[in-house]
This record gives sequence, structure tokens and C-alpha cells, in this order.
Amino acid sequence: DIVMTQSPDSLAVSLGERATINCKSSQSVLYNSNNKNYLAWYQQKPGQPPKLLIYWASTRASGVPDRFSGSGSGTDFTLTISSLQAEDVAVYYCQQYYSSPQMFGQGTKVEIK
Amino acid sequence: QVQLVQSGAEVKMPGASLKVSCKASGYTFTGYYFHWVRQAPGQGLEWMGRINPNNGVTNYAQKFQGRVTMTRDTSISTVYMELSRLRSDDTAVYFCARAGIGVAGNGAFDIWGQGTMVIVSS
Repeated sequence: DIVMTQSPDSLAVSLGERATINCKSSQSVLYNSNNKNYLAWYQQKPGQPPKLLIYWASTRASGVPDRFSGSGSGTDFTLTISSLQAEDVAVYYCQQYYSSPQMFGQGTKVEIK
Repeated sequence: QVQLVQSGAEVKMPGASLKVSCKASGYTFTGYYFHWVRQAPGQGLEWMGRINPNNGVTNYAQKFQGRVTMTRDTSISTVYMELSRLRSDDTAVYFCARAGIGVAGNGAFDIWGQGTMVIVSS
């Protein structure tokens, strides 16, 4: 199984400031034949299902604001919120879809400082 | 519009079985795999397994092997997740999700059901 580990578990950021979340996989999720990283990021607000933000490690899903960006390759990935807005308060999860089981990271709670 | 609509909340006794449905609409049902994910109160997301809606082939997380069964009914564009021998630690919200972006059944989950709250208690 590919284990996903996020850091930090929580962070508090001032409105308008940058928030950075890290995700590390226990083995590479880069598929060499197509040079794609099988890594997604989700946002979950209380009482709601998760919402897809980023796939292929760096492609924003439809309708996702461009203040959200994903980067990284192989085993190390980052989700960046460039200018935190009040509506970004949520828990964020990374997930690998390179192989089953498609495990998630433990989640990172983002709050306003 | 593209959506997944799940069945309603349930309260179950320990040892009972649970069956949650997930009805797809707005797209070709057989076009994408379905996955099931659960979330215990205050906890993270746990992948349970997946089903190929074309042929019903399933893959389950080892943790749930022997207790979970995923099926589909193509005539009504619905997938089901059945969990048997329920325990109190099965109390969770259960989500179905479409693996809309990926390859060979694994993929990023672009569409999610609204979730089904299941409480297991005597």
C-alpha cells in the first residue's frame, strides 16, 4: 500500500497570506509511461463531501480559483493557497490514485489566524 | 447535471448489515468506476473499495475483505455497498464517488455523493 503523510496537521494563516500544505507518499506516484503524477487534492468543509481541487498533481479542477495551486513530483507534493480567503477554511486531503488502495493523507485543517 | 444521490441515514444494531445505494445521473453510468469512502466522526477519509460498473468486478480494501460487498444495477444506474457484521466503530458517513479522472479504474474523484450517515448502536 502507498501511505500518504501530510504536514502540518493544522495551520492558521492570516487572511490574504499564503498557506502551504505538504504531502509525502511512501513510494513514487509518478507513472513513467505518461509522465503523470497520480496525486489529487481535495477540500472538505463541515457537513459536506470532499471537493476535488487538483488532479495530476497540478491541474486545477473546473471552477477552482487560481489561488489554489499544486506542485511536486514523485513522492513529494505541495498544495498552495496563494492568498487565503475566509471561504478557504476547511480540511484538505491529498490522495494517490496510482494504485489500489487509493489512500488519503490524514488531512490538514486550515484556519484563519 | 452530473450527480450521485445516496440513500438516507440509517441506524443499525451491532451485528446487523447495512446496504447503501448511490444513483448516478447526467452521464453514462458505465463510463467510470465507482469508489466508496467512509469518514468516522471527526476523522479522515478511508477508502473502502471500488466497482467497475461495466462488469461488476470489485476490489476491496483488505480491512473490509469478507465484510463488504459492492454491486451494481445498470438498469437503474445505481451502485450499492453492503457492509455486514456491523460494529460500533463502523459508525461513519459513507460516500460514493466517481473516479472521473484517471486510468483503469483508479482516478481522482470528481463527483461525490452527498454522504449517508450510519450509526451503529444498541
